[in-house]
Amino acid sequence: DVKVTQSSRYLVKRTGEKVFLECVQDMDHENMFWYRQDPGLGLRLIYFSYDVKMKEKGDIPEGYSVSREKKERFSLILESASTNQTSMYLCASSNTVDTEAFFGQGTRLTVV
Amino acid sequence: AQSVTQLDSQVPVFEEAPVELRCNYSSSVSVYLFWYVQYPNQGLQLLLKYLSGSTLVESINGFEAEFNKSQTSFHLRKPSVHISDTAEYFCAVSEGANFGNEKLTFGTGTRLTIIP
Repeated sequence: DVKVTQSSRYLVKRTGEKVFLECVQDMDHENMFWYRQDPGLGLRLIYFSYDVKMKEKGDIPEGYSVSREKKERFSLILESASTNQTSMYLCASSNTVDTEAFFGQGTRLTVV
Repeated sequence: AQSVTQLDSQVPVFEEAPVELRCNYSSSVSVYLFWYVQYPNQGLQLLLKYLSGSTLVESINGFEAEFNKSQTSFHLRKPSVHISDTAEYFCAVSEGANFGNEKLTFGTGTRLTIIP
């Protein structure tokens, strides 16, 4: 069974903290993505990566960075968490054949 | 740049009635189209996809979608809904499997509520 695993389902962090969200996939996919999901806004792309050590900004990269040191792992970093980053974060991976994305269960982050 | 519009944010439907969830996209190139479903407290799952060939695609649980290039639409339909279809549905588009172009762009979602 194919799998995308996010390290936490729920996180509560304080304003100003550095936050790491981890994502691992076991499908040997080249592409990996980080989205945030907010009511009424759908899924918005933060960053994506199409190869190890490669990254591209998505639609809302401000306040975030990413790291992809290994093919199976893609980390999202909030350098200094703020309350407007309270959201559901979804990681996904896809192959280069048909671009079908497989999603993790999501991490609900609350910044207080 | 590609974009997706789902005009209906919420659709209430009586059980066993038909439903259509609308999706329109814009893109300057050929596209791949997807419908994803998100059940409460779960991640997104692929429902169906159009890559090429027949413009009518079907899912295993009775949904179907038709790719209409002239109208740039990919509406999702089901002839008879069940309580278990209650979920949020997302339409998505990618500009194909070309290096660096594989990102999926999503619509804002349609919450389907089935009324017993």
